[in-house]
Amino acid sequence: AQSVAQPEDQVNVAEGNPLTVKCTYSVSGNPYLFWYVQYPNRGLQFLLKYITGDNLVKGSYGFEAEFNKSQTSFHLKKPSALVSDSALYFCAVRAFFSGAGSYQLTFGKGTKLSVIP
Amino acid sequence: GAVVSQHPSWVICKSGTSVKIECRSLDFQATTMFWYRQFPKQSLMLMATSNEGSKATYEQGVEKDKFLINHASLTLSTLTVTSAHPEDSSFYICSAQGASNTEAFFGQGTRLTVV
Repeated sequence: AQSVAQPEDQVNVAEGNPLTVKCTYSVSGNPYLFWYVQYPNRGLQFLLKYITGDNLVKGSYGFEAEFNKSQTSFHLKKPSALVSDSALYFCAVRAFFSGAGSYQLTFGKGTKLSVIP
Repeated sequence: GAVVSQHPSWVICKSGTSVKIECRSLDFQATTMFWYRQFPKQSLMLMATSNEGSKATYEQGVEKDKFLINHASLTLSTLTVTSAHPEDSSFYICSAQGASNTEAFFGQGTRLTVV
């Protein structure tokens, strides 16, 4: 069965500093990996995805993520954090569920990012 | 990216009544829609998956007679919480995926409060 681990409940970073939000995964076959961001009382917004190709994926709002197959990781990064980046971040892996006959996302528990002015 | 509209964004209802939440894909055909429930400070819990024109597939522990899901068209799915009770109060989120999409797109969420 597939799983996603986000080992940090909360990450604090000073504005202007680089940030990293960690994610490791477990899935059979080639992984489809995603990062989503959630602001309070809102749905999830898609940030970026890895399907195949270059291990460094660039996404929305200056975020990027690095796929590392040997470490089964997909950490989210940004070179310079903004206060407006403060939100809840979810890593997810996509897998096919035969019972439902469709692909489904399995989410990590989420990491709260706080960017301190 | 594609747009998914969820309505209402919040609703307060009396215990024992039913509430319907709509999820619409505005600019693509959603062959599959998902309904999630999110408790405070927790991740999303998948409730059910629905493919257009088929009965929804419910996750273990989710009462299908209580959470009625209809996916009658390629742009609309509805979740009806029947005979709502205070413990059903939660944040409900839908997402939609088209046949050609590798990522799912999410609605804005609905905050349900049962009093």
